[in-house]
Amino acid sequence: DVQMTQSPPALSASVGDRVTITCRASQTISAWLAWYQQKPGEAPKLLIYRASSLESGVPSRFSGSGSGTDFSLTISSLQPDDFATYYCQQYVSFPLTFGGGTKVEIK
Amino acid sequence: QVQLVQSGAEVKQPGASVKVSCKASGYTFYAYYMHWVRQAPGQGLEWMGVFKPTSGSTDYAQKFQGRVTMTGDVSTTTVYLEVYGLQSDDTAVYYCARNGAGHNYFDFWGRGTQVTVSS
Repeated sequence: DVQMTQSPPALSASVGDRVTITCRASQTISAWLAWYQQKPGEAPKLLIYRASSLESGVPSRFSGSGSGTDFSLTISSLQPDDFATYYCQQYVSFPLTFGGGTKVEIK
Repeated sequence: QVQLVQSGAEVKQPGASVKVSCKASGYTFYAYYMHWVRQAPGQGLEWMGVFKPTSGSTDYAQKFQGRVTMTGDVSTTTVYLEVYGLQSDDTAVYYCARNGAGHNYFDFWGRGTQVTVSS
């Protein structure tokens, strides 16, 4: 199985900050990586697929990069609506696996 | 617009089974795989398996092999997840999630079904 390791598990940031979350795969996954945002009591929402492709309707302040084993999600200027938990997910092979999540909290 | 409407919350005793439904609309049902993902309280996301409407075939995570069944009904555009031998650590929100365009990420999600296992 491909293990996905996210860091940090949590971070505190202010509105307007630039925030970067990283995700590392235990083996190469090319660019078969997605990022999701989840707010309390809600289903996850797709932000990024194929490592860097922005899902339709997602604000351009979200961006993804990386390939192989190391990936990142960047929020260029954190907005109040962005306080949530973020997950990466690999889809190179079954079983599909997620990172442990990064909770972005208000400083 | 794509919608995935899941069945309501369930409370089950240990050892029982539960069947959760996910009715899809707004797109061509058989053209997209449907996955099931669960989330225990305060925990992360865990993939359980996928149902492929064109063939009726499935792929399950090894952890759930022999303990879950995923089925679908093309006539009602509904997918089902049945979990057997429920234990307390099966208490979770169960989500159905549609396959992204030809790839195994999830572009649309149901709102989730809370399953509580308690004696």
